[in-house]
Amino acid sequence: GEDVEQSLFLSVREGDSSVINCTYTDSSSTYLYWYKQEPGAGLQLLTYIFSNMDMKQDQRLTVLLNKKDKHLSLRIADTQTGDSAIYFCAEIPNTDKLIFGTGTRLQVFP
Amino acid sequence: EAEVAQSPRYKITEKSQAVAFWCDPISGHATLYWYRQILGQGPELLVQFQDESVVDDSQLPKDRFSAERLKGVDSTLKIQPAELGDSAMYLCASSPMGYEQYFGPGTRLTVT
Repeated sequence: GEDVEQSLFLSVREGDSSVINCTYTDSSSTYLYWYKQEPGAGLQLLTYIFSNMDMKQDQRLTVLLNKKDKHLSLRIADTQTGDSAIYFCAEIPNTDKLIFGTGTRLQVFP
Repeated sequence: EAEVAQSPRYKITEKSQAVAFWCDPISGHATLYWYRQILGQGPELLVQFQDESVVDDSQLPKDRFSAERLKGVDSTLKIQPAELGDSAMYLCASSPMGYEQYFGPGTRLTVT
C-alpha cells in the first residue's frame, strides 16, 4: 500500500543541524521528494532524489536514501530561523501519483 | 522566475453555495494537478490533467466537484454545493515532465 510517515515535530537551535526523517512503504517509487510549506503558503519543491541514488547534496541540504529500510532523510546544515516551516516527504509509486506524508513542523529557536 | 498562479487566495462561502477556483500553470507545463490539503495533513490529489484531458480523477467527489482545462492551459475547479467538510486549502500544481511538480500559493476555502 501507499503510506508515507513522518514525525510531527522537530525543534532545533539556530546554527545546529536539523534532520527530518521519513519512511515510505512502496519500493517501486522512482523519485522521492522534500517540499517546504510556510504558514498559509503553497508547497516549495526543495529537492528530490532518484531511487538509484544514496545521497544528494544541494548547498545546505543533504538527502539520504536507504532503499533497504525505505527510509529517507533531509539534513539541513546551519539551520536558520527562516527554515522554520512544515516539511513534507513525498513519493511517486508506480501509480504516478504523488503521495505526501503528514509533514514535520520544524521550529528553529535562537 | 515563472510561478503557478491561483485565485482567489481566500474564499469564505456558506454551505450549499457554489464556489470556483482558478489556476494558471507555468507556461509550457502540460500537466496540471489539483490537490486538497486539510489542516494538519499532506496534500491529496483530486484531479490530474494532461493538456486538456483528465488523466486521474479517482479521488474527485464527482457528485459535487468538477474540474476543467478547456484549452489545455488554465483550469477551474468548482464545488457545488459546498459542504462544511470542504473547508481546506486547494492547491494547484503544474509539471513539465511529471516528476517535478511546482505548486501555486493555494486557495484557502472556509465553508460556514
